[in-house]
Amino acid sequence: DARVTQTPRHKVTEMGQEVTMRCQPILGHNTVFWYRQTMMQGLELLAYFRNRAPLDDSGMPKDRFSAEMPDATLATLKIQPSEPRDSAVYFCASGENRDPGTEAFFGQGTRLTVV
Amino acid sequence: QKEVEQNSGPLSVPEGAIASLNCTYSDRVSQSFFWYRQYSGKSPELIMSIYSNGDKEDGRFTAQLNKASQYVSLLIRDSQPSDSATYLCAVNMVRGAQKLVFGQGTRLTINP
Repeated sequence: DARVTQTPRHKVTEMGQEVTMRCQPILGHNTVFWYRQTMMQGLELLAYFRNRAPLDDSGMPKDRFSAEMPDATLATLKIQPSEPRDSAVYFCASGENRDPGTEAFFGQGTRLTVV
Repeated sequence: QKEVEQNSGPLSVPEGAIASLNCTYSDRVSQSFFWYRQYSGKSPELIMSIYSNGDKEDGRFTAQLNKASQYVSLLIRDSQPSDSATYLCAVNMVRGAQKLVFGQGTRLTINP
């Protein structure tokens, strides 16, 4: 059953705490996207990787967010320190880069609440 | 101008009718376009991909692409209550190493 796996599914944390979200992409996929979804902003692209290299993280607040791919089976998104405005659903998606484009498949998401 | 724009709706369509969803994009050289369906509380699900001008049909769904007008649409024939969801248009932006950018989504309700 090929699917993107995200953990945790839900996270409630206090303002100022570090939050780490994890994503296991579909085996064989070489592109990983991180999105944040809120009612007001919709799906915002935070960062994405191809062959584990970061290609674009311009959508991410650099002072508190960081994204990494320590290996091909794991992508992480960290927030430190977390703030109430970070409350959202964070999605990871993976795809196989090929001409003319990349179809992305989404994980179940991590629902983050910062209080 | 937003990179991908959709009418946020809500769009209400009677059961059995055709639902028409529209999307425009800013990157003139984009080559790949997608439609996702997202049920409330769930993750987006890929339902259609289109790369060439014209129509692409898959069951009750038809995607239409017009690169000259920078316009992509999704038609749903014989709409069913189970089609009620938010539909997201996504575009691989060539300018930007093919980052995948989503529109705001259109909320569709099919009325029995």
